[in-house]
Amino acid sequence: SYELTQPPSVSVSPGQTANITCSGDRLGANYVSWYQQKPGQSPLLVIFQDSKRPSGIPERFSASNSGVTATLTISGAQGMDEADYYCEAWDSNIGVFGGGTKLTVL
Amino acid sequence: QVQLQESGPGLAKPSETLSLTCTVSDGSISTYYWSWIRQPPGKGLEWIGYVYNSGSTNYNPSLKSRVSISLQSRVTISLDTSKSQFSLKMSSVTAADTAVYYCARVSRGIHLSYYYYYMDVWGKGTTVTVSS
Repeated sequence: SYELTQPPSVSVSPGQTANITCSGDRLGANYVSWYQQKPGQSPLLVIFQDSKRPSGIPERFSASNSGVTATLTISGAQGMDEADYYCEAWDSNIGVFGGGTKLTVL
Repeated sequence: QVQLQESGPGLAKPSETLSLTCTVSDGSISTYYWSWIRQPPGKGLEWIGYVYNSGSTNYNPSLKSRVSISLQSRVTISLDTSKSQFSLKMSSVTAADTAVYYCARVSRGIHLSYYYYYMDVWGKGTTVTVSS
């Protein structure tokens, strides 16, 4: 079965850049989405189609997909960005989530 | 902005069938794909499956029958356009199925001959506990 691998945790200081990676086979043929989930809340789409931001998502959120690794970048991370982040891709019409990365900003 | 609302029993008994419904606030249910996702306590997100207006469905291969060697899925997702709802049924539940269950709208696009999908609207989630 298709798998996406994320680091369990990433820590940055406020104002620094946070990079969260997502690796998996065939990422070059599958577009990646990224979701932010804060405690007690539903996931929120922050990136789709590898690098596009939905309306209302701050410009400090960006992303890329090299075909082997997808990366979510949060430039100038703020305390409000502290959350769990999940990558997601669809392979053979089946959705697959990465295991999630806990971002700590302190 | 469309809103999604999950509803259903918060408690299910082992071996029984879990049933949940998601109500879509606007009239767009015939236009999009619709998914169920779950999250066990303290764990990550797990995609369960989707339904589309054409009747097309697809399910997570890991959610197969535990009762026999059959490859039949334990999951059924269906659409009721007259009520603007879609539903999840999961049979033979165990404690491992205890989770927050989310419904979500799936948007689809195409770029360079590849389809892409993303879940852009989510419900607030409903907690289901499997216990006798």
